[in-house]
Amino acid sequence: EAGVTQFPSHSVIEKGQTVTLRCDPISGHDNLYWYRRVMGKEIKFLLHFVKESKQDESGMPNNRFLAERTGGTYSTLKVQPAELEDSGVYFCASSQGGGNEQFFGPGTRLTVL
Amino acid sequence: GENVEQHPSTLSVQEGDSAVIKCTYSDSASNYFPWYKQELGKRPQLIIDIRSNVGEKKDQRIAVTLNKTAKHFSLHITETQPEDSAVYFCAATGFQKLVFGTGTRLLVSP
Repeated sequence: EAGVTQFPSHSVIEKGQTVTLRCDPISGHDNLYWYRRVMGKEIKFLLHFVKESKQDESGMPNNRFLAERTGGTYSTLKVQPAELEDSGVYFCASSQGGGNEQFFGPGTRLTVL
Repeated sequence: GENVEQHPSTLSVQEGDSAVIKCTYSDSASNYFPWYKQELGKRPQLIIDIRSNVGEKKDQRIAVTLNKTAKHFSLHITETQPEDSAVYFCAATGFQKLVFGTGTRLLVSP
């Protein structure tokens, strides 16, 4: 069974540009989460989808971040326009049901110059 | 909301020694406490978890203990090996989103 996949693995962009990250969860997992780890700090929650619906987006830092999960399969996280403080590793995780193990993707390392 | 603190931030041990990482949480509603191991350049992987109705859980060389009254939980690794070297994260949740500690970098020297 394929695990959670993320694309791209690395992205280097300039301040003000737009970047879109993609996450493909494990097939059949209704729950999809986005997290971010900024420079040696803790992994912080961004948002949670159940199928195509946003269940909790309390961790989204501001309106420059837009997450979608059309059709309840893969998800995208767009940052527009990117700022220096957006640099970090963005992780996606999926789980089969609430309260179950979350399986993490390899992450996308975003560098904003 | 939930807040998780994790100590120490770095831990160096000799191969064969034991390692203990401690976490505290603030929200008494949290009921699931996973531990993730992240090797350099790889994804976080769940190594053990515990639910609030259990005080201790063991899986080979790894054990986790939970003290609900004190809101503490700890990871214990016995007979450490160089391949245990990684960053370890504790987390707590009661409502699906994981709240992580800041991580512990464990270095096991041969």
